[in-house]
Amino acid sequence: GAVVSQHPSWVICKSGTSVKIECRSLDFQATTMFWYRQFPKQSLMLMATSNEGSKATYEQGVEKDKFLINHASLTLSTLTVTSAHPEDSSFYICSATGDVNTEAFFGQGTRLTVV
Amino acid sequence: GEDVEQSLFLSVREGDSSVINCTYTDSSSTYLYWYKQEPGAGLQLLTYIFSNMDMKQDQRLTVLLNKKDKHLSLRIADTQTGDSAIYFCAEIRISGNTPLVFGKGTRLSVIA
Repeated sequence: GAVVSQHPSWVICKSGTSVKIECRSLDFQATTMFWYRQFPKQSLMLMATSNEGSKATYEQGVEKDKFLINHASLTLSTLTVTSAHPEDSSFYICSATGDVNTEAFFGQGTRLTVV
Repeated sequence: GEDVEQSLFLSVREGDSSVINCTYTDSSSTYLYWYKQEPGAGLQLLTYIFSNMDMKQDQRLTVLLNKKDKHLSLRIADTQTGDSAIYFCAEIRISGNTPLVFGKGTRLSVIA
């Protein structure tokens, strides 16, 4: 099946710094990518939807200036957590779909710890 | 309330069958999915079912859909310790490039 590669798989950063997470579709063109956040023992919460070449659509309550999403090509989307704080520590997962695909392919997730 | 609901925990003995249940509220759902998440990992698609079907079987997995009651279940036959994970059901309301709506996940523990 299609592969979505997410990098890094885990990262520890200092409070106040920025962290970039990459999501790549390896063998298909991902016209739409989704970014989810998963709190411990909770479900996945959609943060934003990004379509290649256009601005991301953020869900209510998600700060777009804090979680910068770029989807510059059909195979790459990035999520940058700016000025990270300990409360941003979480598991972030991206998923990607192609044009007519009903299946969402997920990355392996990134565990972010802000100290 | 939650759009997709699941019980949080299930414990079964190795070799028994596991049944994980899910209820959803949106009758316009077109596809319903089961994902498996192992510790520290992303999500792995196990199976999915179209909303016009009532059953789908794939090796040890059986999905049952009761559209009238908006109830979805995943049965794992001959459960193994490797099946221990969190299982998420999810629905998609409009086919195509729309996000999935997930339940909170059911943590399956398999006792040897």
